[in-house]
Amino acid sequence: EDKVVQSPLSLVVHEGDTVTLNCSYEVTNFRSLLWYKQEKKAPTFLFMLTSSGIEKKSGRLSSILDKKELFSILNITATQTGDSAVYLCAVAGDTDKLIFGTGTRLQVFP
Amino acid sequence: GAGVSQSPSNKVTEKGKDVELRCDPISGHTALYWYRQSLGQGLEFLIYFQGNSAPDKSGLPSDRFSAERTGGSVSTLTIQRTQQEDSAVYLCASSLDMGSGRKFFGPGTRLTVL
Repeated sequence: EDKVVQSPLSLVVHEGDTVTLNCSYEVTNFRSLLWYKQEKKAPTFLFMLTSSGIEKKSGRLSSILDKKELFSILNITATQTGDSAVYLCAVAGDTDKLIFGTGTRLQVFP
Repeated sequence: GAGVSQSPSNKVTEKGKDVELRCDPISGHTALYWYRQSLGQGLEFLIYFQGNSAPDKSGLPSDRFSAERTGGSVSTLTIQRTQQEDSAVYLCASSLDMGSGRKFFGPGTRLTVL
């Protein structure tokens, strides 16, 4: 059965800290892994990863995929209170539907 | 519109009533997805459409749930004889086509069944 497991479930940090969020997966015929940020309702797209070892970067956020070990990490450096959200990891396999993890809730305090 | 829109944004209904949730995808997006997010849970896949057909409806939890898409655009998710366990946020997403990976989500409909 396809599944995505994220860790930690929640994280509380102070502004300026660096955090690493983890996502491991099992999926039939992996096609891509996606990271989303969910603040209120609509998840907003962060990254899509399809190849191992190639870091995707956007400002203070970066992500990398390891297809051999079946995991991805999302790094956020110099965290700000606006980074507080639930971060969702999802994978797409055979059927194009996304399989989501339960998310990591990040709280950044001033 | 610029993004995926959903209506209503909130719906409160009594147990046993039928509800219809609407999704307007981004113009030109041929693939459309419905997900459900219960309190504190991850997103649970329900069904997706490519054009007007649904290649995968494996996530629909029971035969009380159905969805259709017309004109390759608007989709409605219908829940008949609602139950309290149907309470959740129902999210719709669209993408340019199947296999394109990146999905754009709407703001969701929060359904509360009393």
